[in-house]
Amino acid sequence: AQSVTQLGSHVSVSEGALVLLRCNYSSSVPPYLFWYVQYPNQGLQLLLKYTSAATLVKGINGFEAEFKKSETSFHLTKPSAHMSDAAEYFCAVSGSYIPTFGRGTSLIVHP
Amino acid sequence: DTAVSQTPKYLVTQMGNDKSIKCEQNLGHDTMYWYKQDSKKFLKIMFSYNNKELIINETVPNRFSPKSPDKAHLNLHINSLELGDSAVYFCASSQDGIYGYTFGSGTRLTVV
Repeated sequence: AQSVTQLGSHVSVSEGALVLLRCNYSSSVPPYLFWYVQYPNQGLQLLLKYTSAATLVKGINGFEAEFKKSETSFHLTKPSAHMSDAAEYFCAVSGSYIPTFGRGTSLIVHP
Repeated sequence: DTAVSQTPKYLVTQMGNDKSIKCEQNLGHDTMYWYKQDSKKFLKIMFSYNNKELIINETVPNRFSPKSPDKAHLNLHINSLELGDSAVYFCASSQDGIYGYTFGSGTRLTVV
């Protein structure tokens, strides 16, 4: 069985501030972990993925995430938020073919 | 070339009608999926096909029937549409589940 918990349905930051979106997972097998971004009226786009190589994973648009097995976490960060980062972010875990998605975190960026 | 394409993008229909949503992927992936996203953005998997064979069939009303004529296509047919079926339906594909999933842009279904 696998599950994902995203802490905070909404995160609000100022432009230029640090972005931190939290994700905790559970999985009965070594997990593959993903972050996806969904802009309004669009599909989901892969930001980055962890596939048991380096624990610090760099993705597109300046985002990165760190896999911490002891904490069962895969938090997403970006040093400096941009207005264009405003979107819905989904964490997902997959131990097989079928990914399980978290409920999403809406990132709001204030000027 | 769009990697995963869905048609139509918008679908407005009356209760009781039957409708289909089509999905095609040109990535050569073996596995395709249908997800339903509700108004609160929650993504729920509905079906998954691997090489034209159904491998996942979550608790979905049997009014929903997927069809995969070949591994590049996965269509979703919905009979007797209900108000609660209103949602955004996403098709996705994956080669092996390890390297991620490619999503289509979604079909917004509105039942009136």
